[in-house]
Amino acid sequence: GAVVSQHPSWVICKSGTSVKIECRSLDFQATTMFWYRQFPKQSLMLMATSNEGSKATYEQGVEKDKFLINHASLTLSTLTVTSAHPEDSSFYICSAPPTATNYGYTFGSGTRLTVV
Amino acid sequence: AQRVTQPEKLLSVFKGAPVELKCNYSYSGSPELFWYVQYSRQRLQLLLRHISRESIKGFTADLNKGETSFHLKKPFAQEEDSAMYYCASRGSTLGRLYFGRGTQLTVWP
Repeated sequence: GAVVSQHPSWVICKSGTSVKIECRSLDFQATTMFWYRQFPKQSLMLMATSNEGSKATYEQGVEKDKFLINHASLTLSTLTVTSAHPEDSSFYICSAPPTATNYGYTFGSGTRLTVV
Repeated sequence: AQRVTQPEKLLSVFKGAPVELKCNYSYSGSPELFWYVQYSRQRLQLLLRHISRESIKGFTADLNKGETSFHLKKPFAQEEDSAMYYCASRGSTLGRLYFGRGTQLTVWP
């Protein structure tokens, strides 16, 4: 089935630095990628939707300049957390929508970001 | 806007007991409902969706439009069913998923 490879699986960074998270669709093309944030024991909150070849669509309340999303190709979408602060520490998950051969959404394994 | 409600944050049952995880949705159109499961330290994976009306790992879920519910049921819970379960809805073909807050199911031996 469809697989989304997400890297890194965990990262620790200092306040003020930037961190890039990558999601690659393996063996299929993803023109759209959803980026979620998940707090401990809580639900997934959609942050933004990236679209290949166009600007990402951000949910209300999500800072575009802080969470930079780029969909460089049909198999790669990236989320960059800029000038990270401790409150950005969270679990970030990407997800590709269904395809012609895979009717379920495909989720990455997630990235645990800790900002110290 | 769509909304998915999972009233139970935690649910514990003993092995062999029936289990029901509740899910209610609010959507004026015809949503597509899903159940996703997240085992410890693993990624979310699709458990089942209402369109296919299938049973996966002994779980079933029936869409009740009158009650706007999509409860997940299993007649005999197993320890390996312990996981986080998310109910989700989708309003358009390639649209975003709306997730409930999730229910942590623990099945005791």
